[in-house]
Amino acid sequence: DAGVIQSPRHEVTEMGQEVTLRCKPISGHDYLFWYRQTMMRGLELLIYFNNNVPIDDSGMPEDRFSAKMPNASFSTLKIQPSEPRDSAVYFCASSLAAAGPQHFGDGTRLSIL
Amino acid sequence: QKEVEQDPGPLSVPEGAIVSLNCTYSNSAFQYFMWYRQYSRKGPELLMYTYSSGNKEDGRFTAQVDKSSKYISLFIRDSQPSDSATYLCAMSSIPSMKTSYDKVIFGPGTSLSVIP
Repeated sequence: DAGVIQSPRHEVTEMGQEVTLRCKPISGHDYLFWYRQTMMRGLELLIYFNNNVPIDDSGMPEDRFSAKMPNASFSTLKIQPSEPRDSAVYFCASSLAAAGPQHFGDGTRLSIL
Repeated sequence: QKEVEQDPGPLSVPEGAIVSLNCTYSNSAFQYFMWYRQYSRKGPELLMYTYSSGNKEDGRFTAQVDKSSKYISLFIRDSQPSDSATYLCAMSSIPSMKTSYDKVIFGPGTSLSVIP
């Protein structure tokens, strides 16, 4: 079975540019999560969806961050405008049930110059 | 105090050693406990998943939960170089009537190196 698929794997862009990260969850999983991982702060939950509906976006750091899930097989995380402090690895994960084990993609390594 | 604490390491052991990785937590509502393994430049992958207290064994791995002490452990027997990775503990509580989901809280991870 295919796991969670994220693209791109790496993104390097200049400050002020718009960045779009993409995720395809595991088919049949009702929950989708976006995380950010840095050395300083570890793994932080940004937002999660249940059945394509955003449930909790309290982890989204600023209005510059937005996420959508137009259908059960696709989600995007957008940063506009990007800043150097947004540099991190962004992970998407999906799960069958609330509080259940999550399956992660291999992440997008984002560098904002 | 952070909700979940974990010694970041790095921990370096010789091949064949028994490894003990630990997490402490402060929220007594946590009921589900997980261990994830994360290789360099990869996403975390679920290693062990337990509910409430007790032990769970899977091959060379044993997960142990002591809710009275708010302490969980992962033991790796006969450690191998392929076990070199970062290990993250994670936990969550039973969904309440008000919410259908409680966040899974991750520890910061312990970096493990198994030396051949």
